[in-house]
Amino acid sequence: DIVLTQSPDSLTLSLGERATISCKSSQSLLYSINNKNYLAWYQQRPGQPPRLLIYWASTRESGVPDRFSGSGSGTDFTLTINTLQAEDVAVYSCQQYFITPRTFGQGTKVEIK
Amino acid sequence: QVQLQQWGAGLLRPSETLSLTCAVYGGSFNGYYYSWIRQPPGKGLEWIGEINHSGSTTYNPSLKSRVTMSADTSKNQFSLKLNSVTAADTAVYYCARGQILHSVWGQGTLVTVSS
Repeated sequence: DIVLTQSPDSLTLSLGERATISCKSSQSLLYSINNKNYLAWYQQRPGQPPRLLIYWASTRESGVPDRFSGSGSGTDFTLTINTLQAEDVAVYSCQQYFITPRTFGQGTKVEIK
Repeated sequence: QVQLQQWGAGLLRPSETLSLTCAVYGGSFNGYYYSWIRQPPGKGLEWIGEINHSGSTTYNPSLKSRVTMSADTSKNQFSLKLNSVTAADTAVYYCARGQILHSVWGQGTLVTVSS
């Protein structure tokens, strides 16, 4: 199985600050035929199901604010939340869909100071 | 707007069978894959498997021996059965639409396995 390791496990920032979350994969998620990275990011607010934020490592899902951005390739990926808002308090998880079984990172909890 | 609504027993004894159903409302059932994903308390998400409208399935090898998924196109529903449950199967179980990307999710069902 592909193992996704996120860091940090938790993050406490002030409103308006930038949050940066790392996701490292145990193997490359870049498919050379189409040059796409098979990685997604999800947001899970307390008591709610996950919400798809980013796919193909950097494509924002429809309706996702542009303060959320994804970057990276191969085995190293980053989710950035610019200008942190109160509603961004959540757990953020990366997911690989390169091969089955599809696997998720352990999650990063983002809180406000 | 597509919505998924799920239901099933929330409290099971060890060795019993977990059974959950998810209904698709407001959109086409055919032409999509549907997935089951679970989240143990305080832990990360775990993919259980997927099924399409015609019943083609792929399961997580870690659960494959105990999992059965089915689809009922006449009711726009799909189901999950997990047999011989133990305390390790205690989790919130989610249904979701999509094979590789999950853009629509059910509300989640907490299943607790306890004697």
